[in-house]
Amino acid sequence: KNEVEQSPQNLTAQEGEFITINCSYSVGISALHWLQQHPGGGIVSLFMLSSGKKKHGRLIATINIQEKHSSLHITASHPRDSAVYICAVNAGGTSYGKLTFGQGTILTVHP
Amino acid sequence: KAGVTQTPRYLIKTRGQQVTLSCSPISGHRSVSWYQQTPGQGLQFLFEYFSETQRNKGNFPGRFSGRQFSNSRSEMNVSTLELGDSALYLCASSLYGRLNEQFFGPGTRLTVL
Repeated sequence: KNEVEQSPQNLTAQEGEFITINCSYSVGISALHWLQQHPGGGIVSLFMLSSGKKKHGRLIATINIQEKHSSLHITASHPRDSAVYICAVNAGGTSYGKLTFGQGTILTVHP
Repeated sequence: KAGVTQTPRYLIKTRGQQVTLSCSPISGHRSVSWYQQTPGQGLQFLFEYFSETQRNKGNFPGRFSGRQFSNSRSEMNVSTLELGDSALYLCASSLYGRLNEQFFGPGTRLTVL
């Protein structure tokens, strides 16, 4: 079993819908990251969380340390949100430059 | 501020050859991490460097090596290339500290024939 599991693996939505991507992890962590990868490969860091909730524009990320679970929400989705969303963790006790990744969620938003 | 740069962006090699990839971090960033991305295995950690020292290494064979220079630029080398080494190689830089956002480069796409 992977240390970081995401669901769903594929997600299709209509423009304007509210989207939730989930991430569960099985190890103690120092931080959890949500990343976005567009076709072509470039990865952008969306959020880094160690507790609570963060919001940036239409994106919201939450984390529950006790339940070892995080969610990424996209409000009022748009076709430009189509990308792969990746959850990654800094496992506790390891160096902070090492990330362990989930398998990614492929999001497609149709106009 | 310029982002993380990686060279070359694309590379085609044949089995048995060796390859060197380069990563220039964001100015002021002292930590560089390398990752391999393949369709089958996803993203996997290769190594992390800080102040010219390897701080951590992933589960990859000894054919994979790296180094970091005094200006924080980093290189990774793969010797005796195998078909399975075909992948997107990404580097990321960060300020060294407890909780750091990582900034990723565009990647080098390596194809081994």
